Amino acid sequence: EAGVAQSPRYKIIEKRQSVAFWCNPISGHATLYWYQQILGQGPKLLIQFQNNGVVDDSQLPKDRFSAERLKGVDSTLKIQPAKLEDSAVYLCASSLDRLGTSGYNEQFFGPGTRLTVL
Amino acid sequence: RKEVEQDPGPFNVPEGATVAFNCTYSNSASQSFFWYRQDCRKEPKLLMSVYSSGNEDGRFTAQLNRASQYISLLIRDSKLSDSATYLCAVNSGAGSYQLTFGKGTKLSVIP
Repeated sequence: EAGVAQSPRYKIIEKRQSVAFWCNPISGHATLYWYQQILGQGPKLLIQFQNNGVVDDSQLPKDRFSAERLKGVDSTLKIQPAKLEDSAVYLCASSLDRLGTSGYNEQFFGPGTRLTVL
Repeated sequence: RKEVEQDPGPFNVPEGATVAFNCTYSNSASQSFFWYRQDCRKEPKLLMSVYSSGNEDGRFTAQLNRASQYISLLIRDSKLSDSATYLCAVNSGAGSYQLTFGKGTKLSVIP
């Protein structure tokens, strides 16, 4: 089974520029999450989608970040304009949104996009 | 109190040692608990779900103490390949699939 795909893997931009990240979840996974992981920290949830609807975007800095999940499959996360403090790894995860064989709803992560803002 | 707190680490242990990590959570409505492993510059990968009765998977044992709101991970007979950061994750409340992660505890197993 293919895992969560993300691109690009690395991105270097200057502050005030724009950047977009793409995520393709595991086939059949209804729920998709975007996380931001700053060096030395755990992943922090930015936004959660269920199918093509937003479940929670309370931690998304909406003045500069936006995300969409058209057709309930792929998703893009955009930053415009980027700030130095946006340097982080952006992780996409997906889940079935129902109990798996373990009895819990497990999240599976993609490899992430490492963003450096100069 | 932070939502999910972990031992700050790092833990440097010799091969063969037993090491334990603790994680406390603040949301008493949380029902799902996980340990993720994250290798350097890689994504987190699920290591174990934590069941109410505790569970064991080979050298790894996870325990849950709901009364004290903490979970633990015990690694016996540490291997060099166990070197990684261990992240504790807790769901955000009853019926929620959202996870809140701790900062992680870095483990280095030394020859």
